[in-house]
Amino acid sequence: RKEVEQDPGPFNVPEGATVAFNCTYSNSASQSFFWYRQDCRKEPKLLMSVYSSGNEDGRFTAQLNRASQYISLLIRDSKLSDSATYLCVLGGYGGATNKLIFGTGTLLAVQP
Amino acid sequence: EAGVTQFPSHSVIEKGQTVTLRCDPISGHDNLYWYRRVMGKEIKFLLHFVKESKQDESGMPNNRFLAERTGGTYSTLKVQPAELEDSGVYFCASSPRDGSYEQYFGPGTRLTVT
Repeated sequence: RKEVEQDPGPFNVPEGATVAFNCTYSNSASQSFFWYRQDCRKEPKLLMSVYSSGNEDGRFTAQLNRASQYISLLIRDSKLSDSATYLCVLGGYGGATNKLIFGTGTLLAVQP
Repeated sequence: EAGVTQFPSHSVIEKGQTVTLRCDPISGHDNLYWYRRVMGKEIKFLLHFVKESKQDESGMPNNRFLAERTGGTYSTLKVQPAELEDSGVYFCASSPRDGSYEQYFGPGTRLTVT
């Protein structure tokens, strides 16, 4: 079983739509959770960290459910520029390493 | 502030040849990481340096891969001899010493072994 599971998509949505991505993880020892964004043939870039209390950054809302080992990302009022792959990422398994564990990503295509 | 840089951006080599990838982290970042994405798979951790010391190399696939970070600044990742399955995009990332989990990624080196 993969450590991080994501629906690969693609999610094809019209501009202005609300879209939600989900991610599940298998290691309950994970301490940090992130959503990264990766544009085609580019490097991953941190979109936002995810906290149990939920956090919001503009049109983006992230939520963590530790009991269910589930992370979500909600994008409201989608823009064409939101088209990218969204990576669910875990970190902080303890010990001295800060390695990140990536999901395969969910592809979002926002249509005009 | 300059970001993480990697060289070369692309490399095409034949099976059995040697390739050396270079990463320059953000100035002052003690932590340096190497990751790899092979086609159709997720990005996977290779190893982690703290300054010049290898903190975790549990992701290195085999002894054909050698990473160094002499002087604690830039890092090199050498693949010798290269095999077809080594093809992929190699990302380098760095982070400061403050324990933050946020890592800043370089643009990657796309390696093709033919």
